[in-house]
Amino acid sequence: QVQLQQSGPGLLKPSQTLSLTCAIYGDNVSTNSAAWSWIRQSPSRGLEWLGRTYYRSKWYNDYAVSVKSRIIINPDTSKNQFSLQLNSVTPEDTAVYYCARESWTIGTFFDYWGQGTLVTVSS
Amino acid sequence: DIQMTQSPSSLSASVGDRVTITCRASQSITTYLNWYQQKPGKAPKLLIYTASSLQSGVPSRFSGSGSGTDFTLTISSLQPEDFATYYCQQSYSTPYFGGGTKVEIK
Repeated sequence: QVQLQQSGPGLLKPSQTLSLTCAIYGDNVSTNSAAWSWIRQSPSRGLEWLGRTYYRSKWYNDYAVSVKSRIIINPDTSKNQFSLQLNSVTPEDTAVYYCARESWTIGTFFDYWGQGTLVTVSS
Repeated sequence: DIQMTQSPSSLSASVGDRVTITCRASQSITTYLNWYQQKPGKAPKLLIYTASSLQSGVPSRFSGSGSGTDFTLTISSLQPEDFATYYCQQSYSTPYFGGGTKVEIK
């Protein structure tokens, strides 16, 4: 059974950097059959995929156009986890942030999710 | 981006009712369509993948159909634990979620 455990601060001021970590249990961040994503949810934007990291002989990243200039997703193989860094946050970045495994077997789908972290951006 | 439009945005139904939710893609996504259930304060839960495949452990009253641009999620006999919000998601290109359908008690 795969479990994803999120950690990181929930309150930020505008212009600060959002940093979250997702620890993986029961799978490996370097697996060839999945990608590791960050997704956020807010009343105004709904469920919004932010980006992913995955290993296919080397590491790759894909990012949503809406955050591409501000986001970094990094794997950490020594701790079997991956992280989200979102720079220069504004109140519009206030949302619940989820990490998720995107299984790439028969089709692609998000089959395991973290517990969610409410991130509030306010001065 | 391939955008997803769900309808209705909300519905009221009774226990035992048959419920159908529709999702339409802005262009063909063949069968790269997934359905999720979300309850308040919880992460989404995968119900259906590749349009019609039932995720392990999901009750058989849930079913999915469709291909191309038009898809449906059907709950054959609504149970009390099914009152939740349902989302479709296309995985043909950059992942994109529909706006959700809230299923409420009538």
